Amino acid sequence: QVQLVESGGGVVQPGRSLRLSCAASGLSFSGYAMHWVRQAPGKGLEWVAVISFDGNNKYYTDSVKGRFTISRDNSKSTLYLQMSSLRVEDTAVYYCAREGFLYFDYWGQGTLVTVSS
Amino acid sequence: QSVLTQPPSASGTPGQRVTISCSGSSSNIGSNTVNWYQQLPGTAPKLLIYSNNQRPSGVPDRFSGSKSGTSASLAISGLQSEDEGDYYCAAWDDSLNAFVIFGGGTKLTVL
Repeated sequence: QVQLVESGGGVVQPGRSLRLSCAASGLSFSGYAMHWVRQAPGKGLEWVAVISFDGNNKYYTDSVKGRFTISRDNSKSTLYLQMSSLRVEDTAVYYCAREGFLYFDYWGQGTLVTVSS
Repeated sequence: QSVLTQPPSASGTPGQRVTISCSGSSSNIGSNTVNWYQQLPGTAPKLLIYSNNQRPSGVPDRFSGSKSGTSASLAISGLQSEDEGDYYCAAWDDSLNAFVIFGGGTKLTVL
């Protein structure tokens, strides 16, 4: 069964940190770029970050640059998102997604991050 | 504000054909392929159409996509109640500000 399973979400105070994980199973992981996409409550989808298949190239949306770090461990088929200096506006469901050729072919079920005092 | 522009809502009765538009610019739709994602209530997004008009395995042929210049559209024929949900267009963007751009989403209601 093809699965991307996110974990690590929760309630956190502004300025604190959180690390999300995305574990892949039943699908090829190490040969594909991986992305994080988020969705604020009641809002649309927003791309957050991408990491190349080998981890050597990473890109971020402007609003998270310098605060979020994407990484991966191909030996564990796991993707990570280290989030620091969290803001209220980072509150969202965070999805991991595998990149096919310029499209997201598999998505996880999402993990909710709530930033609130 | 989303760079790709979609109508916020669309509706139709069962069996009808509906279309959802997606407008972009030369840096995204004009130079890259368009993908469509379906998000049913309470679920994660799912790939519906990729590379402008290709359907992944398992997606009914009631769903079709097209692209012309800097615009794209999704057509759903033989509308069914289970099609009710949100639909998002997306494209890679060649500008410096983003990697992937999504439309704001269209909420489809089956009357």
